[in-house]
Amino acid sequence: EAGVTQSPTHLIKTRGQQATLRCSPISGHTSVYWYQQALGLGLQFLLWYDEGEERNRGNFPPRFSGRQFPNYSSELNVNALELEDSALYLCATHAWGNRETQYFGPGTRLLVL
Amino acid sequence: AQSVTQPDIHITVSEGASLELRCNYSYGATPYLFWYVQSPGQGLQLLLKYFSGDTLVQGIKGFEAEFKRSQSSFNLRKPSVHWSDAAEYFCAVGARTGTASKLTFGTGTRLQVTL
Repeated sequence: EAGVTQSPTHLIKTRGQQATLRCSPISGHTSVYWYQQALGLGLQFLLWYDEGEERNRGNFPPRFSGRQFPNYSSELNVNALELEDSALYLCATHAWGNRETQYFGPGTRLLVL
Repeated sequence: AQSVTQPDIHITVSEGASLELRCNYSYGATPYLFWYVQSPGQGLQLLLKYFSGDTLVQGIKGFEAEFKRSQSSFNLRKPSVHWSDAAEYFCAVGARTGTASKLTFGTGTRLQVTL
């Protein structure tokens, strides 16, 4: 069974640009979580999508947004990129009947120059 | 709000030695507790989890953790460390209320293994 996949693995952007990160869940998983792992700040919860709806968001500005598609894959968009957005962005998913256990993808490393 | 403290930023042990990584949590009720491991440049792999029942839980790669409610702790242990265990380890607490399931992570403990 394939695990959680994320693309691209690396992304380089400049300040002010937009970044789009993608996540495909494990088959049968319906919820997607996004986390930011920035140097010195640890893992911070960003967003949670379930059944196509945004269910919860962390303490991040509105320029961080996303969506979940009918096939449960998800996209994270970061607008007006700032230098401090440079981080590893991790996606995690869980099954509908097993919401407590999240399985993580390998992450997308975003570098903002 | 829940929180997790991992007091050791960096630990170095010799291969074959025992290991204990500390984790303390703050949560209003009995939490879901997790340990994840992250190798350099990789995502997080679930080592083990505690939901209820037996307070000593076994995980993958020979790891175990013990939930101690009185100490609000969930320390990770391994009797004999292998060089391949060198990585960063994260303790996390999950909310139990409603449908919210976001995880709150500690800041991580980086494990170095000397040969």
